[in-house]
Amino acid sequence: DAGVIQSPRHEVTEMGQEVTLRCKPISGHNSLFWYRQTMMRGLELLIYFNNNVPIDDSGMPEDRFSAKMPNASFSTLKIQPSEPRDSAVYFCASSLVIQGNYGYTFGSGTRLTVV
Amino acid sequence: SQQGEEDPQALSIQEGENATMNCSYKTSINNLQWYRQNSGRGLVHLILIRSNEREKHSGRLRVTLDTSKKSSSLLITASRAADTASYFCASLGGGNKLTFGTGTQLKVEL
Repeated sequence: DAGVIQSPRHEVTEMGQEVTLRCKPISGHNSLFWYRQTMMRGLELLIYFNNNVPIDDSGMPEDRFSAKMPNASFSTLKIQPSEPRDSAVYFCASSLVIQGNYGYTFGSGTRLTVV
Repeated sequence: SQQGEEDPQALSIQEGENATMNCSYKTSINNLQWYRQNSGRGLVHLILIRSNEREKHSGRLRVTLDTSKKSSSLLITASRAADTASYFCASLGGGNKLTFGTGTQLKVEL
């Protein structure tokens, strides 16, 4: 298994531009999570999906952020318009939920820089 | 916001020594997990301990959990230079949400 695949690995964009981050979870996993990591705030859960349905998006910072999971093998996190404070490493993780005991598998992350 | 706090924030030891990291969390949990992150990489799941367990082993890793104190510890025995990384505890509470601590940066020197 290739693990959780994220693209792109690095993204540099100008303020105001739209940014789309992509994630392919591990086949068979039924939960998908988007996290953001910064030095100041550490790892923050933005949103998670269970069986492709958004369950909790309370961590999404603003309406500029949106996430979709059109099928079990693909998810996107979109920022529109982007701002310099959105600069961070964004991680996608997936998991198979069985009786509440499971670990997450993380992708390698997308390092976003907004200038 | 970060739910857990980890102690110490940074730890430097010599190869062969044991490394102990502590974690505290704030709310009731279903389980507690430990992850490792190498610089510039994603997090790797190391070990999971359920709320009704007190101790768990996996290779050179030993995890303890004290739910009365809302704390956990990770012990890495006979450390190696390759163990150099950041280590995070993560608590799984209600709603299937995994909340990460602030992390401990471990450096193992030759």
